[in-house]
Amino acid sequence: QEHLVQSGAEVKKPGSSVKVSCKASGDTFRSYAITWVRQAPGQGLEWMGAIIPTYTRSTYAKQLQGRVTFTADASTTTVYMELRYLRSEDAAVYYCARGDVYMDVWGEGTPVTVSS
Amino acid sequence: DIQMTQSPSSLSASVGDRVTITCRASQTISSYLNWYRQEAGKPPKLLISAASTLQSGVPSRFGGGGSGTDFTLTISSLQPEDFATYYCQQSYSDPRTFGQGTKVENK
Repeated sequence: QEHLVQSGAEVKKPGSSVKVSCKASGDTFRSYAITWVRQAPGQGLEWMGAIIPTYTRSTYAKQLQGRVTFTADASTTTVYMELRYLRSEDAAVYYCARGDVYMDVWGEGTPVTVSS
Repeated sequence: DIQMTQSPSSLSASVGDRVTITCRASQTISSYLNWYRQEAGKPPKLLISAASTLQSGVPSRFGGGGSGTDFTLTISSLQPEDFATYYCQQSYSDPRTFGQGTKVENK
């Protein structure tokens, strides 16, 4: 059964950066887009954008453009999400998910705490 | 951006009840509408894609309908694992917005 393996919880200071990884199988990496979604504590789901790993082509949510970058490493079939200039409101669980028209496989989530 | 509005925001129901959740898009999205269920502390799970296509392994008590701007998710007989939060999401255009969620609670 396909699954996505995410990196562990992070604690970051305001103004710093975080980089979350999402390891996929080779088939998923080659054949699907990977979408990033975040969820602040007690809140709903927020679409952050998506990457097509084989083309390293990405789309980003407007409110995050300039602060977020998705990258992909074909040698390890891993996708990364880096968010810079962290603010308190970036504290959330970050999910990667397979697909962009619909997301049928999800990672377990990576909690990111932003605190001074 | 396309706004997705779910109603109700929460509801109380009992095991065996029939439950219907509505999702409305701010402009037409054809059938580019997905439904997810999220149990507490877990990632979302895809239930239905393309407005009415039940995902493999999802019980037949879940059904989806609608097109254009108005969509529904129906649970024909609520089960204990269905006490969760449900989200609709449009995939017609970027950004792929989600509804605000509907929390189904045990009466």
